[in-house]
Amino acid sequence: QVQLQESGPGLVKPSQTLSLTCTVSGGSISSGSYYWSWIRQPAGKGLEWLGRIYTTGNTNYNPSLKSRVTISGDTSKNQLSLRLTSVTAADTAVYYCAGGSWYAFEIWGQGTMLTVSS
Amino acid sequence: SYALTQPPSVSVAPGKTARITCGGNNIGSKGVHWYQQKPGQAPVLVVHDDSDRPSGIPERFSGSNSENTATLTISRVEAGDEADYYCQVWDRSSDVVFGGGTKLTVL
Repeated sequence: QVQLQESGPGLVKPSQTLSLTCTVSGGSISSGSYYWSWIRQPAGKGLEWLGRIYTTGNTNYNPSLKSRVTISGDTSKNQLSLRLTSVTAADTAVYYCAGGSWYAFEIWGQGTMLTVSS
Repeated sequence: SYALTQPPSVSVAPGKTARITCGGNNIGSKGVHWYQQKPGQAPVLVVHDDSDRPSGIPERFSGSNSENTATLTISRVEAGDEADYYCQVWDRSSDVVFGGGTKLTVL
């Protein structure tokens, strides 16, 4: 069964670039079985979809964040990556990677907390 | 952009039926998906495509969708059902959209 594990620095300074990794086990990110997404959740708040990537390398992003977000995949490491530029305190959240269809999310990682603070 | 509206909270006694709504413009024309999230845990998909259950999800969880409202129904509510519930759709202009979430309290 496919499992996802997010990892990241935990703390990033304002204006810097955030980089997170999602390691996929039990399946290949290039199998075509899933679309892979990043979703975040500020403490005590709701879920926000950031974007998705497919095995072809095609990506789609949340229109409200499109200029700051990049999602990529490394098939040799079976990992997904999220890059978010020019971070502010508003980007403080738990970040999840998830796999599923184009439009729903069947499997989720446990999430990684990211704090933006100087 | 497309928006989904959920009540902030719903309360129900054990053994009773809980209904959580998700409002959106002509949401009946879209596929609605529901997630359960317990404190400190990742969300879990409990209903997809309006009314289908992933394997392992109890039959007590069901969904419906018509016109401007989708509904997640939880029958014979148990203490372990206490959680936040989120609806979600795909929209042509907004892509993935989540509702604001509903906290289900089991009295």
